[in-house]
Amino acid sequence: SQQGEEDPQALSIQEGENATMNCSYKTSINNLQWYRQNSGRGLVHLILIRSNEREKHSGRLRVTLDTSKKSSSLLITASRAADTASYFCATDGGANAGKSTFGDGTTLTVKP
Amino acid sequence: DVKVTQSSRYLVKRTGEKVFLECVQDMDHENMFWYRQDPGLGLRLIYFSYDVKMKEKGDIPEGYSVSREKKERFSLILESASTNQTSMYLCASSLWGLSSYEQYFGPGTRLTVT
Repeated sequence: SQQGEEDPQALSIQEGENATMNCSYKTSINNLQWYRQNSGRGLVHLILIRSNEREKHSGRLRVTLDTSKKSSSLLITASRAADTASYFCATDGGANAGKSTFGDGTTLTVKP
Repeated sequence: DVKVTQSSRYLVKRTGEKVFLECVQDMDHENMFWYRQDPGLGLRLIYFSYDVKMKEKGDIPEGYSVSREKKERFSLILESASTNQTSMYLCASSLWGLSSYEQYFGPGTRLTVT
């Protein structure tokens, strides 16, 4: 069962613009994570935000979490062509210790 | 640096063959995972192991089995490969805890069953 759902499915922007991706989920969580996947490769962890946090930053990444709306957003500022990748949110299922459920991902294309 | 390695990047097998996909991690992680990734379906958990010889079914375990005889190694077995098991297979590992931790992924194995 898919817990997290990303929106939009695909996003195309120019280099230098900001990119915003959203994730919605259905049940309560302990934390939410964002991952990045370059074409044909494994996933790389970007950031983890806990359920008692509202915002977190890492370099050009900003993640927000709204547990009342069961949603999160990932903002990439000043995007670069190298940011072209698929981005996934992953939510843990509360009682399911250690396991995360991944969404279908947002495919981001940054045009030079 | 955490390293998760998978035995093959690309694999071609025939229908009915028994297929072994191996995954090794070097960070002494308790948890290990096998996912398959298909276009439009995201990542789906096949099996999960939280300790040696311990395993739990994920969302799509049918047609698969796993083995974890040593902490660092988690094997995925396709007992009798079928064409609908053509997919990208991703292995991951993480620390164990009451909530989820960052997962470290291998590069993936693209399996084609003909």
